[in-house]
Amino acid sequence: GENVGLHLPTLSVQEGDNSIINCAYSNSASDYFIWYKQESGKGPQFIIDIRSNMDKRQGQRVTVLLNKTVKHLSLQIAATQPGDSAVYFCAENGEGYQKVTFGTGTKLQVIP
Amino acid sequence: DAGVIQSPRHEVTEMGQEVTLRCKPISGHNSLFWYRQTMMRGLELLIYFNNNVPIDDSGMPEDRFSAKMPNASFSTLKIQPSEPRDSAVYFCASSFPSGTGNTIYFGEGSWLTVV
Repeated sequence: GENVGLHLPTLSVQEGDNSIINCAYSNSASDYFIWYKQESGKGPQFIIDIRSNMDKRQGQRVTVLLNKTVKHLSLQIAATQPGDSAVYFCAENGEGYQKVTFGTGTKLQVIP
Repeated sequence: DAGVIQSPRHEVTEMGQEVTLRCKPISGHNSLFWYRQTMMRGLELLIYFNNNVPIDDSGMPEDRFSAKMPNASFSTLKIQPSEPRDSAVYFCASSFPSGTGNTIYFGEGSWLTVV
């Protein structure tokens, strides 16, 4: 269902360190998941996706892990850079692949 | 390739006025979504269309909001009359759902302020 963003969790990471952003999804029937990055003043941008028949998927400096047992997603960013500072959203795909529901979002702050 | 194009980017209007937000989806995409984003409520799905037909409008807050998609390359979200609590960023997004999933692509948003 919908998430009400009363409070945006913030993760502060030193430049060069790895970041891990977590997300709990709500619909056990969802079988496609996406991570988005939203920079200030812009729309969310696609980062990486994963289907439910996978546990892990790697991209450039990013890795997504999926644990269907506990309905948990994580996004790992290697060697975090200042340009990674943004709000990160997980999204789940249900209902015939049309409806996409977003999580609350996590703000990532990279400390130079 | 051009992404999702929204207009206006910014609008300030007085309470009671009609607001029309416009969207051109990515060419070839057959699903279109309108989202609203606020600090308090995050990213909310208002309505989505598939092949120009509204599929789910359960997120539309009230009768003051309406959305249309007269053809595959254009959609509008209208608020009449507008109220200060409608102030938010409104995103349009589009996609081409496949058997493997539905990755949606967002526009840059329309920043609405109702005073």
